[in-house]
Amino acid sequence: AQSVAQPEDQVNVAEGNPLTVKCTYSVSGNPYLFWYVQYPNRGLQFLLKYITGDNLVKGSYGFEAEFNKSQTSFHLKKPSALVSDSALYFCAVISGTYKYIFGTGTRLKVLA
Amino acid sequence: NAGVTQTPKFQVLKTGQSMTLQCAQDMNHEYMSWYRQDPGMGLRLIHYSVGAGITDQGEVPNGYNVSRSTTEDFPLRLLSAAPSQTSVYFCASSPLDRTSNYGYTFGSGTRLTVV
Repeated sequence: AQSVAQPEDQVNVAEGNPLTVKCTYSVSGNPYLFWYVQYPNRGLQFLLKYITGDNLVKGSYGFEAEFNKSQTSFHLKKPSALVSDSALYFCAVISGTYKYIFGTGTRLKVLA
Repeated sequence: NAGVTQTPKFQVLKTGQSMTLQCAQDMNHEYMSWYRQDPGMGLRLIHYSVGAGITDQGEVPNGYNVSRSTTEDFPLRLLSAAPSQTSVYFCASSPLDRTSNYGYTFGSGTRLTVV
């Protein structure tokens, strides 16, 4: 069965520092991987996706993610965090079906 | 503006009442789905549809019905509301071709409380 794990409920980082939000996955077959962001009282917004090709994927708002097949990971990164990046981040995977499976979410708090 | 529209935004129901959450999209997306979001549980798939007349169950379908008579609309029906259905509900849509789409487009959510 497909699954996604986000091992950290919350990540705190100082403004200007690099940030990483972790995601690991388990699928049979080739994964399609996604990151979404949710601001308070809003729906989720698409950030980036990995389908195939270059393992480093660049997305919206300066975010990027690195696909690592051997570690089955797809960590979200940003070189320099902003206070406005504070939000709830979700990793998701689909493989072989149309069902997106989401992780439980990681709350990112960027401290001024 | 193009996107996914959910109504209502807020709803309070009494146990045993029924209601329909509405979802409409104007992007001609074939794929539509309903999720519920609960603290610590992430988003869980309730039902989904890959086109008009085609629906299927997700992870947590019990207590919910869906239908897809048009490409644009995908309503979610609660047959007999229970307190366990208190949640925030999101509708989402995307093209079927996952290699070319930019991920899901989500509605802004319906916050449902069952008392």
